[in-house]
Amino acid sequence: DQQVKQNSPSLSVQEGRISILNCDYTNSMFDYFLWYKKYPAEGPTFLISISSIKDKNEDGRFTVFLNKSAKHLSLHIVPSQPGDSAVYFCAAQNSGGSNYKLTFGKGTLLTVNP
Amino acid sequence: GAGVSQSPSNKVTEKGKDVELRCDPISGHTALYWYRQSLGQGLEFLIYFQGNSAPDKSGLPSDRFSAERTGGSVSTLTIQRTQQEDSAVYLCASSPNTRGREAFFGQGTRLTVV
Repeated sequence: DQQVKQNSPSLSVQEGRISILNCDYTNSMFDYFLWYKKYPAEGPTFLISISSIKDKNEDGRFTVFLNKSAKHLSLHIVPSQPGDSAVYFCAAQNSGGSNYKLTFGKGTLLTVNP
Repeated sequence: GAGVSQSPSNKVTEKGKDVELRCDPISGHTALYWYRQSLGQGLEFLIYFQGNSAPDKSGLPSDRFSAERTGGSVSTLTIQRTQQEDSAVYLCASSPNTRGREAFFGQGTRLTVV
């Protein structure tokens, strides 16, 4: 039973346009959400996060939006650059006893075309 | 190096053999995680170490899997009597805090059981 779902295995966008990566979750105990970026043959690297007390967090070209009622979050990349091409993982943590665990989605492969 | 280091990068082993995977976390990080990523799947939590506390082994898929963390630093993940379904990328991460936010990942060990 997947608690974090990234329903789009892949996404292709043109350089300079907006990339929107989506993530849905089912566990209402999740209170912290993170996005990781992964290049081939490398480990995931932290990109941006958001606490459940907020609905938006922005860092440069990257913005994460959280809709708690819909249990949905999205990562916006504006403008997209070819170097952004990677697999993006959505992850979540809960406020319960095992609050150190990260629960990951399956990832979305983003390709930014020059 | 300043990052999380894992060795070997790649390991091919015969079914039924034992393997050891090593992780050198970032110096001073008290939390250490092992995750694995099977083909087409997200990252799956295996085990968590925090300081001198008893590890959370709830993610280990079978009793063939075990892990140690010596002196609060280096960790070894051991898989006994490997099976083909153990083939995956095994990722280690460390974090300076108890909630594992913004955990830093190593590049992973790609294990192939033939």
